[in-house]
Amino acid sequence: QKEVEQNSGPLSVPEGAIASLNCTYSDRVSQSFFWYRQYSGKSPELIMSIYSNGDKEDGRFTAQLNKASQYVSLLIRDSQPSDSATYLCAVNERNNDMRFGAGTRLTVKP
Amino acid sequence: DGGITQSPKYLFRKEGQNVTLSCEQNLNHDAMYWYRQDPGQGLRLIYYSQIVNDFQKGDIAEGYSVSREKKESFPLTVTSAQKNPTAFYLCASSPGSPYGYTFGSGTRLTVV
Repeated sequence: QKEVEQNSGPLSVPEGAIASLNCTYSDRVSQSFFWYRQYSGKSPELIMSIYSNGDKEDGRFTAQLNKASQYVSLLIRDSQPSDSATYLCAVNERNNDMRFGAGTRLTVKP
Repeated sequence: DGGITQSPKYLFRKEGQNVTLSCEQNLNHDAMYWYRQDPGQGLRLIYYSQIVNDFQKGDIAEGYSVSREKKESFPLTVTSAQKNPTAFYLCASSPGSPYGYTFGSGTRLTVV
């Protein structure tokens, strides 16, 4: 069974701090990687995608990918209370079989 | 606006009843998916379809059925054979690899 692993948390950070969310995956042929944000009672929303090794920045969000270590992370700079949500890591293999992690619950305290 | 519409938002099922959840998209995406999410847990794939008139079972297909007669529509039927159907059901679509998914707003199904 191909796995996507995340620390379930909860992860608590103060407002203005950097939140660091981590994800590991088991399938070496994985090609594309995603972070989704899910507010309580709502559906997931795609916030970042990354396809090659290194960093990808979009506003306060930075996704980092290391295929050799099978590791992908999401950094949220200047965390806001509105960032409080569950963050799902997803890994897409070549045949478009998307595997989701169980999610990390983030709380940003004012 | 383009997007995915799921209906109803809330659904109540009596024991022994079949119910159908609707999913419609106007994004012109080829692939559509159904996931189930239980409280505090991740997404589990029920069924998916990558082309009209074709669909495949996911990890937890037992007790569910689908059809894909039109590109825009991918309804999910929860049959009486599904013994624990209370969950949050999410429909998603994608233009295909390597792109991510767009999710609908979900249907919360409760057995009464």
